[in-house]
Amino acid sequence: EPEVTQTPSHQVTQMGQEVILRCVPISNHLYFYWYRQILGQKVEFLVSFYNNEISEKSEIFDDQFSVERPDGSNFTLKIRSTKLEDSAMYFCASSESVFRASNQPQHFGDGTRLSIL
Amino acid sequence: AQKITQTQPGMFVQEKEAVTLDCTYDTSDPSYGLFWYKQPSSGEMIFLIYQGSYDQQNATEGRYSLNFQKARKSANLVISASQLGDSAMYFCAMREDTGRRALTFGSGTRLQVQP
Repeated sequence: EPEVTQTPSHQVTQMGQEVILRCVPISNHLYFYWYRQILGQKVEFLVSFYNNEISEKSEIFDDQFSVERPDGSNFTLKIRSTKLEDSAMYFCASSESVFRASNQPQHFGDGTRLSIL
Repeated sequence: AQKITQTQPGMFVQEKEAVTLDCTYDTSDPSYGLFWYKQPSSGEMIFLIYQGSYDQQNATEGRYSLNFQKARKSANLVISASQLGDSAMYFCAMREDTGRRALTFGSGTRLQVQP
């Protein structure tokens, strides 16, 4: 079964450094998402991406964050000047279609655990 | 206001028994979807089951079924014949057809299946 893949599985970075998290969504999916989960807390939406542009973003997704689809397969989340509170599990997800959005399950990758020191 | 409420932070169930995990939601959108995800201790998020707001029948997927009560705005997950491998966090999530299309998650229920 096709799956969303994320790399790396674990990233350790010094505070203030830039980090890029990578995702390969399922190949025929058109909608891409990033979520994060701080340890022990609920999963929070960051940003969604469709047709090579951000379609919506949460209040968490400030100027520190950016997303890009540099080629036909990868979808990246960049965090500039990381802070301690950016430590979390970051999940990439993708879904098949824009239309009738509510019945399209989002398929998640295994996550990248980001640790900021 | 919370859009998704999971009132059970933790649940225990004996192996081979059924368990119900509660989820209530709040939306004014007439068209929405409700999803359940499983998160084992290894951390990945696994899609389990989906229920649409216009679906006439409760969704079922193998041992998982969704007890959807629209008037009460509840979408409880029922796991039948629990297995040790069912021990995990379970998240209820909603996606609305208007407004934000991203998933809104509840705080989760940790299920422990006991032998």
